[in-house]
Amino acid sequence: AQRVTQPEKLLSVFKGAPVELKCNYSYSGSPELFWYVQYSRQRLQLLLRHISRESIKGFTADLNKGETSFHLKKPFAQEEDSAMYYCALKLDFGNEKLTFGTGTRLTIIP
Amino acid sequence: GAVVSQHPSWVICKSGTSVKIECRSLDFQATTMFWYRQFPKQSLMLMATSNEGSKATYEQGVEKDKFLINHASLTLSTLTVTSAHPEDSSFYICSARETSGRWDRDTQYFGPGTRLTVL
Repeated sequence: AQRVTQPEKLLSVFKGAPVELKCNYSYSGSPELFWYVQYSRQRLQLLLRHISRESIKGFTADLNKGETSFHLKKPFAQEEDSAMYYCALKLDFGNEKLTFGTGTRLTIIP
Repeated sequence: GAVVSQHPSWVICKSGTSVKIECRSLDFQATTMFWYRQFPKQSLMLMATSNEGSKATYEQGVEKDKFLINHASLTLSTLTVTSAHPEDSSFYICSARETSGRWDRDTQYFGPGTRLTVL
């Protein structure tokens, strides 16, 4: 069965420092990977998806099939980046179900 | 943007009673909706996939007779927790799938969640 692992439950970073949130997955096929973010007292929302190859709010993530990773990165952290981040996997094109990791709470220290 | 609402946002009920939670897509039609459960400080666990006009597909270990799902229209899915017990207390979140005709725009939009407390 597919699995998404986020090894860090908590991550604290100083403002202006680089951020990297780790995500590893296990699945033998060709999955689609996502990062979702949940700001305080707000609903879960899509941050970015690997097939779009976009940079959203300064965040990027590259799918590394060799290492089965999809780490989320931002070169300079901002206070408003403090939130809960979830990595998620969708099995195949046409299969809509999402499998979520356990999440990482990112805190930006002013 | 696409908005999904849930009602109620929180509910307290007595053990043995049934509780209905609504999930609505406000500005788009959703042929597929999903129901998740989230325990404190844990991840979202998919309970079932709800397809308009057909029976829901439940994940392994989820009791379909306990968690009744109805997706009667393209904008509304309901989850009814029947004969609720304290162990059913949790945060229930729905999402609705919005497709814009492009496979790379297929996105799930999440509701704000419903906190259920069973006494």
